[in-house]
Parts: sequence; C-alpha cells; structure tokens
Amino acid sequence: EAGVTQFPSHSVIEKGQTVTLRCDPISGHDNLYWYRRVMGKEIKFLLHFVKESKQDESGMPNNRFLAERTGGTYSTLKVQPAELEDSGVYFCASSQFMSPQEAEGEQYFGPGTRLTVT
Amino acid sequence: RKEVEQDPGPFNVPEGATVAFNCTYSNSASQSFFWYRQDCRKEPKLLMSVYSSGNEDGRFTAQLNRASQYISLLIRDSKLSDSATYLCVVTASGGSYIPTFGRGTSLIVHP
Repeated sequence: EAGVTQFPSHSVIEKGQTVTLRCDPISGHDNLYWYRRVMGKEIKFLLHFVKESKQDESGMPNNRFLAERTGGTYSTLKVQPAELEDSGVYFCASSQFMSPQEAEGEQYFGPGTRLTVT
Repeated sequence: RKEVEQDPGPFNVPEGATVAFNCTYSNSASQSFFWYRQDCRKEPKLLMSVYSSGNEDGRFTAQLNRASQYISLLIRDSKLSDSATYLCVVTASGGSYIPTFGRGTSLIVHP
C-alpha cells in the first residue's frame, strides 16, 4: 500500500513568489493534516481536513496560506506571496479515524516538502 | 511555558544501555498521548501510543502520569538503530483533536 506522498520534495523560491505544495494521502483516509516545522522549532499544526471540508484551520499563520482539498482526495497548500519566515519543512499526514479514542490515533506522515524562501 | 516540553538532549548512551525520556504537558484536558520517532531528515513515525495503565512494546515502555502531567518513554537494551529524535505528541479534546508536538529528544546510541 502506498504511503502519503508529497510534491515537491524541495522548493527554493524568492520572496514574493508563489508556491503550491501537494499532498496525496493514503487511499481511503478521510483525515488529512498539514503541519510545518521551522528550523529549530517543534512541528506545528496548520489545518485539518475531513474529506473535502476544513475541520480546523486554526493553525494557519495568515491569509497568505490557502489550503484546498477538492474532491476529498489530494490536497494543495499554496503560499502567496511567500515571505522569508515561511521557510521550513511542510509535512502532510493522513489518518483513517478522526478521534484518537476510535483507534490508535496514528497519523501517517509524508516525507515533507522543504521550502526555502530567499 | 510551552504546551509540550521535552529535554532536547542529546542523550548519548552505549549499546545495551537503558535510557528514559520524559515529556511534560501543560493542558490538563489532554486526552491522548503518543511517542513518535523521527530519523534525520525523515518524517515522524508513530512509535507507540501511551495508555493510562502504561504499556510495553518489546524493549519500549511508555508511562502516563496524569497527576503530574508527564509521560515517559523507557528504552531497554539500546541498539544503534534506536538513534533518532523522539517526539512527544499530546492531543487535547476539541473539535479536531489537534496534536501538539514537543521539540523532540535526540538519542545517540554508540558502540
């Protein structure tokens, strides 16, 4: 079974440009999460989709970030315009169950996209 | 105060040693607790969930102390392959069960 995939693996862009990250979750997983890890900091939650609906987007830094999950399959995270502080590793994760009480609560992470804004 | 705190280490131990990590959390409403393992420049992977009664998986034992608001991970008979960063993850109740990650504890097991 294929795991969570993310594209691209690396992206280097200039300040002010636009970048779109893509995540393909494990087939059949309704829950999709985006996270970001800034160098030297902990992994931070950005948002959570259940199918195509945004369940929680409280972690999105500002309105330069737009996430979509049309059709409830893959998701995209667009940063427009990119700023220097957006640099970091963006992880996507998917899970089958929403509540940790329903299952082990395991989230399967993708390999991440390393974004560098210069 | 950070929501989830971990000693960043590194913990430098010889093969065969026993090592323990602690993680404290600030939200008393936290409901679920996990240890993830992250190898260098790789994605986090679930190591084990932490149950109220404590649980063991081979050489790994996880404990939860709700009164003091901390969880622990004990690794016995350390292997070279155990070298990694161990992330403490705590999830609180709410609409989305948002996981909160610690910064991780680095473990280096040397021959």
